[in-house]
Amino acid sequence: RKEVEQDPGPFNVPEGATVAFNCTYSNSASQSFFWYRQDCRKEPKLLMSVYSSGNEDGRFTAQLNRASQYISLLIRDSKLSDSATYLCAVNSPSGTYKYIFGTGTRLKVLA
Amino acid sequence: EAGVTQSPTHLIKTRGQQATLRCSPISGHTSVYWYQQALGLGLQFLLWYDEGEERNRGNFPPRFSGRQFPNYSSELNVNALELEDSALYLCASSPDFYEQYFGPGTRLTVT
Repeated sequence: RKEVEQDPGPFNVPEGATVAFNCTYSNSASQSFFWYRQDCRKEPKLLMSVYSSGNEDGRFTAQLNRASQYISLLIRDSKLSDSATYLCAVNSPSGTYKYIFGTGTRLKVLA
Repeated sequence: EAGVTQSPTHLIKTRGQQATLRCSPISGHTSVYWYQQALGLGLQFLLWYDEGEERNRGNFPPRFSGRQFPNYSSELNVNALELEDSALYLCASSPDFYEQYFGPGTRLTVT
């Protein structure tokens, strides 16, 4: 089993739709979680950190489910500009600060 | 504030040669991470430097090495290049071992 897993997609959704992605992790001692956005042939850009209590930034909501060992990203009112690959990242525990990235979920928002 | 910078943007080498990639972190960031992103694959953690020291490395052979300079810039060296080393090499810096900010990457092609 991979340490961090994501559905590669693509998720094809119409503009205005709500879409959610999950990311599962295998190490229950993982401490920090992040979502990044990566456009084609560009570098990943930090979208948001994922806190235990969940967090929201505009149309984006991230949540952590420690019991089931996954994080989620919800995008409401999808825009064409949201089309990208969304990567989750998990910070390994024990002070190693080794980040494990998922392979990404591709989102295509259609007009 | 200037972001993470990397040079060169593109690098073409032949098998067996050595490649040197450079990264300058965001001002004030002392940690630098290196990742390899091969076509169709996720980000693979290569190396982590902090305060001039190598703190952790991923599952890559010793021909992947690097260093961090007193000004916190970093260099990644890949010796004895192989065709499968062709990839986008991304550098990221972090202020706190958590959130990472990526540079635009160096695209290495080995022929």
